[in-house]
Amino acid sequence: GAGVSQTPSNKVTEKGKYVELRCDPISGHTALYWYRQSLGQGPEFLIYFQGTGAADDSGLPNDRFFAVRPEGSVSTLKIQRTERGDSAVYLCASSLTPTGETQYFGPGTRLLVL
Amino acid sequence: AQKITQTQPGMFVQEKEAVTLDCTYDTSDQSYGLFWYKQPSSGEMIFLIYQGSYDEQNATEGRYSLNFQKARKSANLVISASQLGDSAMYFCAMREGRGGSNYKLTFGKGTLLTVNP
Repeated sequence: GAGVSQTPSNKVTEKGKYVELRCDPISGHTALYWYRQSLGQGPEFLIYFQGTGAADDSGLPNDRFFAVRPEGSVSTLKIQRTERGDSAVYLCASSLTPTGETQYFGPGTRLLVL
Repeated sequence: AQKITQTQPGMFVQEKEAVTLDCTYDTSDQSYGLFWYKQPSSGEMIFLIYQGSYDEQNATEGRYSLNFQKARKSANLVISASQLGDSAMYFCAMREGRGGSNYKLTFGKGTLLTVNP
């Protein structure tokens, strides 16, 4: 079946602009996660959704970052007033259930803020 | 303290030989899971293998095996019969806790494996 998909694959924006990154999880997966991977580092947790609600957003770096999953499937990560330090690869993952299940990752969105 | 430590920034191996990628972890939880992911230059994180803290046997998946030494808190990945396509970054990750808190993955910094022909 289809894996996790993310769009766009690459996004270049200017400092101060607003961006939206989209994640389409594996069909039937109730849990969805966003991670951020900076150059030379492993991914770092941002936010976790169980169904439509954000069960844990403790990894979001500040209030410029927000994510939604209105129908319990597709999720959008929104970044306001982008800064150069936001440049990274944003990875989305999904799992069948939240606990004890393998997380399957999408290809990521490479965000570059100029 | 780092929760996941991968001490080898880079490793080289000859095609068809075996290679071990090191991972040590730090947790006070009794229940946890350990994962290895492969990240080729394309960027996608590919799940390779999982070991639960209560699993008595070392996990194996094809050419991948996990050398789990609980007392040492190590979870090394062994790749047998390396192939050129194994060249990639490899990340060790841990999921701690039970129930509702058992979902976040914490990753190490990765090891870049290069397989030479």
